[in-house]
Amino acid sequence: GAGVSQSPSNKVTEKGKDVELRCDPISGHTALYWYRQSLGQGLEFLIYFQGNSAPDKSGLPSDRFSAERTGGSVSTLTIQRTQQEDSAVYLCASSLANGGNQPQHFGDGTRLSIL
Amino acid sequence: AQSVAQPEDQVNVAEGNPLTVKCTYSVSGNPYLFWYVQYPNRGLQFLLKYITGDNLVKGSYGFEAEFNKSQTSFHLKKPSALVSDSALYFCAVRGPRNTGFQKLVFGTGTRLLVSP
Repeated sequence: GAGVSQSPSNKVTEKGKDVELRCDPISGHTALYWYRQSLGQGLEFLIYFQGNSAPDKSGLPSDRFSAERTGGSVSTLTIQRTQQEDSAVYLCASSLANGGNQPQHFGDGTRLSIL
Repeated sequence: AQSVAQPEDQVNVAEGNPLTVKCTYSVSGNPYLFWYVQYPNRGLQFLLKYITGDNLVKGSYGFEAEFNKSQTSFHLKKPSALVSDSALYFCAVRGPRNTGFQKLVFGTGTRLLVSP
């Protein structure tokens, strides 16, 4: 498709379980970003990938969170031993090579609910 | 640190009237500013950006924004509001060039409600 694709759109899981969220960026976009949107914290940056460079993980809230980007395209955000405070909408975005002035294009997000 | 403030949680306007959604920023260096809109259960859609050049920036769906350096503001405007403009609007700024230029730092969002 033409836009950023995220799956699943909704995920409900029990506290303590691991979850994987997937993001398929726009073709040709070398930069990929993960954000989290929650009522209490607003929109927060989590992690950024650019080409083959080491990712910027500075926004990951704890070591339970990790992400990878295989082949410079699809990315997976993994949350281990989920907690109720992890409940949020996880948004993925992509952009052309990061020149600062490139807008980020967002997917529709994965709504994660931890019971 | 880079930050943006959206002082209004909600803006109400009648259809056909002009609308303004306010945003002020605090940055080190030159600001790279963006406006995004979010409809229910959807991701953020890019509306417009200011990088350099003319202070009045035109974007999608008839929206425009005015960059004011002296007031450190970047207010979003539209001459004539539509009911379909009702959504959540976010102002954002790029992170600091030396440590976080790739990040977007978002405001808390302003809900726009356009009544028929």
